[in-house]
Amino acid sequence: DAGITQSPRYKITETGRQVTLMCHQTWSHSYMFWYRQDLGHGLRLIYYSAAADITDKGEVPDGYVVSRSKTENFPLTLESATRSQTSVYFCASSRTSGVQETQYFGPGTRLLVL
Amino acid sequence: QKEVEQNSGPLSVPEGAIASLNCTYSDRGSQSFFWYRQYSGKSPELIMSIYSNGDKEDGRFTAQLNKASQYVSLLIRDSQPSDSATYLCAVNPALYNNNDMRFGAGTRLTVKP
Repeated sequence: DAGITQSPRYKITETGRQVTLMCHQTWSHSYMFWYRQDLGHGLRLIYYSAAADITDKGEVPDGYVVSRSKTENFPLTLESATRSQTSVYFCASSRTSGVQETQYFGPGTRLLVL
Repeated sequence: QKEVEQNSGPLSVPEGAIASLNCTYSDRGSQSFFWYRQYSGKSPELIMSIYSNGDKEDGRFTAQLNKASQYVSLLIRDSQPSDSATYLCAVNPALYNNNDMRFGAGTRLTVKP
């Protein structure tokens, strides 16, 4: 049971480059989420998705693009990376809607933007 | 004012003691509250949720909620070295939809043998 996986686990890129972080879950969960985690800020929601082709903004969506063509995949794209996007990115999924539904987190992707 | 505030710590307690972790939130209409544990270099995992005023116990963990004071806490009894981690408080503010949690910055707990 693979659960929820993220790739790459580590990424170094340069300012202005496009970067895509991948998230894949094997549970057929409807909801998927992207968070970033920075020192002093805790986790902040970037985008979430209720189902294939349904996405919505979270707390910090600027500079990010998401898509969800298949239930199991939820890629996050930084169209033109900036240094302020250096962070640890976590993908999560939950069976249904609502914060009362447990979110299961992937292992994270550490992104460094030079 | 941050939406969710926690003491950053580090909080250090001896093995077997009670660890008390505190969290305050700004949105008085918040209804859902969570505690996540995050080991160093790992992803967060949910350990407790609480929705009503009072105490909720689960094994060695007790979550306490006081909506009037806008305060939620986590008590860990008989603390073990394996409890050493960062504990994140999360709240679903009434201002936002039911899929939007706001997290505190976390409190780092060290349990010394």
